[in-house]
Amino acid sequence: GDSVTQMEGPVTLSEEAFLTINCTYTATGYPSLFWYVQYPGEGLQLLLKATKADDKGSNKGFEATYRKETTSFHLEKGSVQVSDSAVYFCALSNNAGNMLTFGGGTRLMVKP
Amino acid sequence: EPEVTQTPSHQVTQMGQEVILRCVPISNHLYFYWYRQILGQKVEFLVSFYNNEISEKSEIFDDQFSVERPDGSNFTLKIRSTKLEDSAMYFCASGQGEETQYFGPGTRLLVL
Repeated sequence: GDSVTQMEGPVTLSEEAFLTINCTYTATGYPSLFWYVQYPGEGLQLLLKATKADDKGSNKGFEATYRKETTSFHLEKGSVQVSDSAVYFCALSNNAGNMLTFGGGTRLMVKP
Repeated sequence: EPEVTQTPSHQVTQMGQEVILRCVPISNHLYFYWYRQILGQKVEFLVSFYNNEISEKSEIFDDQFSVERPDGSNFTLKIRSTKLEDSAMYFCASGQGEETQYFGPGTRLLVL
């Protein structure tokens, strides 16, 4: 079946550092890929998505590129802020309206 | 901005009791989902619901679970006889059938 693997956390960075959170997937067909963020005490919020190979999703300074050749969708941000501290989930969906398959989540802690 | 809401935010129950978790999806959405996240583990898909019937369910969603859309706005998850291992955060999500799902803040269920 489909699966998503992301790097284990926690990832601890200083403010303004560069962020990469790795995500790779296994899926049949051509899934859509997502990053969701969960701030402390809150639900899951869609951060960005990409629906086909070579698409780049971006939002709030975060970006991720759908790489079919390496089955990856790594999340990056050039300069993190304390307010980015949260848990980040990579996910895929194999068909519109279908279930999301999530990775294990990566906790990011940004120190001032 | 419209959002998915869930009640209660926390529920404590005794093993063997029935619980009903409630969700109000975004009003023009047609697809509804339940997910759960056991503490420290992945977000797992439970069930999806479209056109007043279950469209997909996971192996977790056994006979102890049921879903219902009792009126035009609510979407409920019922656990008939709770077990200790049902303790988790339960997330409701809704969507319009394209890839993006919008999540509620979750209900934390604790089974004693």
